[in-house]
Amino acid sequence: GESVGLHLPTLSVQEGDNSIINCAYSNSASDYFIWYKQESGKGPQFIIDIRSNMDKRQGQRVTVLLNKTVKHLSLQIAATQPGDSAVYFCAETSSNDYKLSFGAGTTVTVRA
Amino acid sequence: DTEVTQTPKHLVMGMTNKKSLKCEQHMGHRAMYWYKQKAKKPPELMFVYSYEKLSINESVPSRFSPECPNSSLLNLHLHALQPEDSALYLCASSPREVTEAFFGQGTRLTVV
Repeated sequence: GESVGLHLPTLSVQEGDNSIINCAYSNSASDYFIWYKQESGKGPQFIIDIRSNMDKRQGQRVTVLLNKTVKHLSLQIAATQPGDSAVYFCAETSSNDYKLSFGAGTTVTVRA
Repeated sequence: DTEVTQTPKHLVMGMTNKKSLKCEQHMGHRAMYWYKQKAKKPPELMFVYSYEKLSINESVPSRFSPECPNSSLLNLHLHALQPEDSALYLCASSPREVTEAFFGQGTRLTVV
């Protein structure tokens, strides 16, 4: 599968491989994190979230990992499909806040 | 109904025009948001309404004027915009302070 250790703006993945998208967050007070998927011409779509009292959470074909020590978040997509091609954003906030701050985003392109 | 609906989908306006963007949700969410997104950039928070009261204004110029007529509706009134205000304007809602924020499809605004 494809994986990167640092945040990269683009990721090209072979269909069927696993993808790993990385995100570094800056605010130590953040305790709630969300991954969004944004397809061209559409609004961001919720994928999965995780709170700071967890270090891993799984959904359907997706897993989010949180490393609070180094303030790092990752999204793993299993068996990447053409429909997974999109821009992926991580977002952070704290539980009592309304401010949801987005990371720079990673554009994922799935090769057939 | 799990949707956030934004109208219009596209808007072209002159710098002397006055127009309004509309957003509606029927999920009973008590927090609603306006974000601005430039091409290939993450969404940037503009305003937050909590229980129909403006709780956050991220130093947005006064040519953007938000309004929350009731718990289901959010408007963004536009007046004397500049070409650099052209962007995708996204509305979002969440049950209270940020948990899962659901986004609409956005209004693609072009100022000429």
